[in-house]
Amino acid sequence: GENVEQHPSTLSVQEGDSAVIKCTYSDSASNYFPWYKQELGKRPQLIIDIRSNVGEKKDQRIAVTLNKTAKHFSLHITETQPEDSAVYFCAASVGGGNKLTFGTGTQLKVEL
Amino acid sequence: GAVVSQHPSWVICKSGTSVKIECRSLDFQATTMFWYRQFPKQSLMLMATSNEGSKATYEQGVEKDKFLINHASLTLSTLTVTSAHPEDSSFYICSAREGQGGGVGYTFGSGTRLTVV
Repeated sequence: GENVEQHPSTLSVQEGDSAVIKCTYSDSASNYFPWYKQELGKRPQLIIDIRSNVGEKKDQRIAVTLNKTAKHFSLHITETQPEDSAVYFCAASVGGGNKLTFGTGTQLKVEL
Repeated sequence: GAVVSQHPSWVICKSGTSVKIECRSLDFQATTMFWYRQFPKQSLMLMATSNEGSKATYEQGVEKDKFLINHASLTLSTLTVTSAHPEDSSFYICSAREGQGGGVGYTFGSGTRLTVV
């Protein structure tokens, strides 16, 4: 089955700096890659996603890049703010209603 | 947008008792429901996948007789933790999809914090 690895497990940045989180996946058939932000005790919130027919997608301060050949994708957050502090999860799935496999998570702390 | 209501948000039960968790899709028909378990500071681990009217498909290592999943209608799925033990204490969260295909997203419930004492 699919295996998703995520790095780093923790990330501290200064407010205003950029943060990058990287994930790799094992199943070359995976074609949907969402990123979620989860605050303590809350549900995961979708912040951005990308499909395998696209190499990059951007939404304001957040961008995701996908390299299908290398089977890795990355989340980029620019101009970080304290409210960006949370746990971020990448995930992958094969399309058509299949299950999401989550990465191990990254605790992002944005310091003033 | 799509909303999944999950209840209860938290529950404390005694060892050996059973607990039922409900997830309802409020404004769409949940063709597929995924049930996840999340231990503190860990990732979401898929327990099972259920399609309306069918038996659930359980992930390897998940006891189907202990974690009973019912998806009898397109708007309601339940997870029952039977004979709960302290090691079952965790955050349980459902995720629903409407239909299939690449354009359909996943909607998460708000989660249930289960504590078994």
